[in-house]
Amino acid sequence: GQQVMQIPQYQHVQEGEDFTTYCNSSTTLSNIQWYKQRPGGHPVFLIQLVKSGEVKKQKRLTFQFGEAKKNSSLHITATQTTDVGTYFCAGPNTGKLIFGQGTTLQVKP
Amino acid sequence: NAGVTQTPKFRILKIGQSMTLQCAQDMNHNYMYWYRQDPGMGLKLIYYSVGAGITDKGEVPNGYNVSRSTTEDFPLRLELAAPSQTSVYFCASTRGTSVTRVPNEQFFGPGTRLTVL
Repeated sequence: GQQVMQIPQYQHVQEGEDFTTYCNSSTTLSNIQWYKQRPGGHPVFLIQLVKSGEVKKQKRLTFQFGEAKKNSSLHITATQTTDVGTYFCAGPNTGKLIFGQGTTLQVKP
Repeated sequence: NAGVTQTPKFRILKIGQSMTLQCAQDMNHNYMYWYRQDPGMGLKLIYYSVGAGITDKGEVPNGYNVSRSTTEDFPLRLELAAPSQTSVYFCASTRGTSVTRVPNEQFFGPGTRLTVL
């Protein structure tokens, strides 16, 4: 069945450093979604990418959808302590979302 | 709008007990989902529903049951609780397309933290 893989599983950075997480699907996706889960909280939707090669920005966060619509990335510029949490990508599959395992970001002040 | 609400927030069960986790949404979403998340792990889909009266198994349905009699409510039933069911349970909802069944952004509830001893 369809699989969505994310790397790395964990990332520790110094505040101010950049961070990138990568998402790869075993099948072509009609769209890809990204979520953030703060420690002790619930996943919160960040963004959805639909078009091949699409790039979207939200302040310091840059999201990219690959040309083949099988991979995606999330890049955070100049991390802050408020960026701490787990970032999940997810791709649709017949009524449901297939979530990656997530990348947990720790930021040292 | 309250969004997605879940009750209870916390629960401790003894092995073999049963309980129902409640989930309700007031956004008129047709798709609803139940996930479990073990400590430090990702989300595993238990059951989902694309509309009232329709339910489908997810990745880890064993030991659980669901029903969807209304658009708003999607309760999850645990029968004969086991320690392996200790987890955080999240309910989510979204508006999905009826033909291609592509879900849009999911709205998650705050979760139910369940411990089985």
